[in-house]
Amino acid sequence: AQTVTQSQPEMSVQEAETVTLSCTYDTSENNYYLFWYKQPPSRQMILVIRQEAYKQQNATENRFSVNFQKAAKSFSLKISDSQLGDTAMYFCAAAGANSKLTFGKGITLSVRP
Amino acid sequence: DAGVIQSPRHEVTEMGQEVTLRCKPISGHDYLFWYRQTMMRGLELLIYFNNNVPIDDSGMPEDRFSAKMPNASFSTLKIQPSEPRDSAVYFCASTGHRDRGETNYGYTFGSGTRLTVV
Repeated sequence: AQTVTQSQPEMSVQEAETVTLSCTYDTSENNYYLFWYKQPPSRQMILVIRQEAYKQQNATENRFSVNFQKAAKSFSLKISDSQLGDTAMYFCAAAGANSKLTFGKGITLSVRP
Repeated sequence: DAGVIQSPRHEVTEMGQEVTLRCKPISGHDYLFWYRQTMMRGLELLIYFNNNVPIDDSGMPEDRFSAKMPNASFSTLKIQPSEPRDSAVYFCASTGHRDRGETNYGYTFGSGTRLTVV
């Protein structure tokens, strides 16, 4: 089983600046996936980025990138050039061999104009 | 594909009534999940299915909750009788089997059903 911890309940960033959201996890498995999901006020859950644990290279998707530290079990999300539309809740999640997806408690990100 | 489809989008019901939430997963996905989201408890996994078979229902809060998946394209989550503390947003999600090596492997969520029990 996996556990996911997001210890920061909220963060704020100025538009166009960079922000990093923290996440740690625990698992006894070697082959697992990590995800970041965005939930805007519309409540839709949107997949932002995924990381396969056996891949050492950090995943990137346009302005979004991760810092995956497998030994430290850390999986942070970096948002570059923050935009007003990035304002949302962000959830870190992990899935192991049984495909059960476990979420952290989420962090509320506000982008200030 | 239209994505994961949930209905209804909103449901308001009186305490004691039966509530049925519906979900149509993405065609070809092997797994279907039901989550509940509240401010206090965040996103909780209630139950998930693999090839229409329930795999883990340890998150179902009590006997008032039941879920079925009669075929690969349809699932229901039923609450009977409903109580005010069941008020939450209920999400359905689906995914394929990761060992297929799909480059876009991930979990797709429906738009959720906001349930209010008064």
